[in-house]
Order: sequence, then structure tokens, then C-alpha cells
Amino acid sequence: NAGVTQTPKFQVLKTGQSMTLQCAQDMNHEYMSWYRQDPGMGLRLIHYSVGAGITDQGEVPNGYNVSRSTTEDFPLRLLSAAPSQTSVYFCASSYNRVNEQFFGPGTRLTVL
Amino acid sequence: SQQGEEDPQALSIQEGENATMNCSYKTSINNLQWYRQNSGRGLVHLILIRSNEREKHSGRLRVTLDTSKKSSSLLITASRAADTASYFCATDVNQGGKLIFGQGTELSVKP
Repeated sequence: NAGVTQTPKFQVLKTGQSMTLQCAQDMNHEYMSWYRQDPGMGLRLIHYSVGAGITDQGEVPNGYNVSRSTTEDFPLRLLSAAPSQTSVYFCASSYNRVNEQFFGPGTRLTVL
Repeated sequence: SQQGEEDPQALSIQEGENATMNCSYKTSINNLQWYRQNSGRGLVHLILIRSNEREKHSGRLRVTLDTSKKSSSLLITASRAADTASYFCATDVNQGGKLIFGQGTELSVKP
């Protein structure tokens, strides 16, 4: 099993550009989530999904969209990037929300 | 504001010593989890303790949970240089589907 994969590993955007961070898991997990990690702030939940077709907002959802059309994939979209979105983004999945989460390796995003 | 807060923010000890990290949270939880993050890497799950449990062990790790005080502690015994990492607590908030992380404790174990 590949576990949780994220692409790209690094990305530089200009303010106003849009992009999609990809996340996929091959463990047939129902629960998937996106976090951002900033220095001194720990991990903050952006959006999460409890199953295909179901998404909900986390702590810091503004500026981000998600969809969950399949169990395997949970992409995160930045519609109009801002410097405040410079961060490291982690995707995670688990069998359900009360189980341990498996994390991807992260995407380091810089918005100029 | 975040659900969980770790204390201390940073901890530096010698190899062989024990390391204790604390986590406090604000609302009712289903369970509390501890994760470890090596520099530049994703998080790795260490241990999960349910709200009806008071103590749990896994190898050199011991976790306690006091729901009356809304707090948990992680004890690493006989620490090793390889334990150097950031440690995070995460709470499964009793409001449907969110796992909220604290800010983390940065542990440095000197050989």
C-alpha cells in the first residue's frame, strides 16, 4: 500500500493564482481531512470528509474548497491564492473519525 | 481558538531521562490521541486513549487522561536521541467529525 500520497511536494504561486493540492489514499478509509501547519500554530483543520459526497468545514476553511467524489481522493482547491496561505499542507485519512489518522508527507506552498 | 494546548512548548533533556508533556483541552471529547512529527515530515500516530480510560501504555510511552480536569499527559521513559521530535495531542471533539490538534511540544533529547 502506498498509504496517503500528496502532490506536489513543493509549489510556488503568485497572489491571485489558483491551484489544486492532490491527496489520495489506498486504504479504503472513509474519513479524510486537510490541515495546514504554520510555525507556532500547530496543525489547524481546514476541511474534512466523513465519506464520499460528504464534506464539512474545519477551523480555518476560508479561501479553500474541497470535494469528495470518490473514497480515494480528496483534493483541496485554492481559488485565489493569498500570501496568508503560505504554509505546509497535510492530508490525512482514517478508517473513521475515532481511529488513528495516517498522514501524507505534506505540500510546502509559498504564495508570493 | 484551538481546542488543545500542550505544555511545555519546548523541552530539552539528556538521554536516559524521562520526558513528560501535558495537554489541556476545552470541550468534551470522545478520545484523545498523541502524534509525533520529525522535522520536515508528516505526523505519525503514537497512542489513542478513549474518554472512559484513565491510563494507557505502549512500549516506553505512558498516557494518562483526566476528563474532570480536561487534561492528558504523555510520558516517555528512558528517552533516546531518536525521540527528538515534536509531539502533538489531538482531541476528537464531541461535535461530529473533527479532530483538533494542539500547538505541540518540541522535545530535544541530547546524547
